[in-house]
Amino acid sequence: EAQVTQNPRYLITVTGKKLTVTCSQNMNHEYMSWYRQDPGLGLRQIYYSMNVEVTDKGDVPEGYKVSRKEKRNFPLILESPSPNQTSLYFCASSGGLYNEQFFGPGTRLTVL
Amino acid sequence: RKEVEQDPGPFNVPEGATVAFNCTYSNSASQSFFWYRQDCRKEPKLLMSVYSSGNEDGRFTAQLNRASQYISLLIRDSKLSDSATYLCVFDYGQNFVFGPGTRLSVLP
Repeated sequence: EAQVTQNPRYLITVTGKKLTVTCSQNMNHEYMSWYRQDPGLGLRQIYYSMNVEVTDKGDVPEGYKVSRKEKRNFPLILESPSPNQTSLYFCASSGGLYNEQFFGPGTRLTVL
Repeated sequence: RKEVEQDPGPFNVPEGATVAFNCTYSNSASQSFFWYRQDCRKEPKLLMSVYSSGNEDGRFTAQLNRASQYISLLIRDSKLSDSATYLCVFDYGQNFVFGPGTRLSVLP
């Protein structure tokens, strides 16, 4: 089954404690993205990657890092999380003729 | 700066009604256009791509007006299951920009 998986689905942590949210896709897509979704602000792109070892900043990259060492994986790293990074995070991969995106199930992060 | 404006909603309509959403964009460099549907606390899912000539998929019709810089979504014969938030999405070379979403509630 074609899918995007994210882990963990729920995470509560404290300020400053480094964390990584994993993302994996099995559709052999070249493009992958990370978003955060906040009430009233909609989905905002954090980072995206067009291929292995190629990443670019989206609209809200501050406080986040990503890496793309393999085509299927695109982890999101918060080196020193802060409470304003409490949000719902989605990973997505895109490809195909019309470049539609497929989203993971989301990770709900709370930073205390 | 890319800007997307979308009908604020919420739209509360009876079953069987026809409802239309619009979404305007200010940056004309968008390469592709989409409508996504998002159910509460779930991931967005592609509803349909929007082609230059307009396209239809069952009860759903999408249109693109490049000159006026908007896309639209028309839903005919609304079903209870159409209740969701509808997001317009613009592709600026993998830098995807989402509209804030319009919530639709179809009432029995």
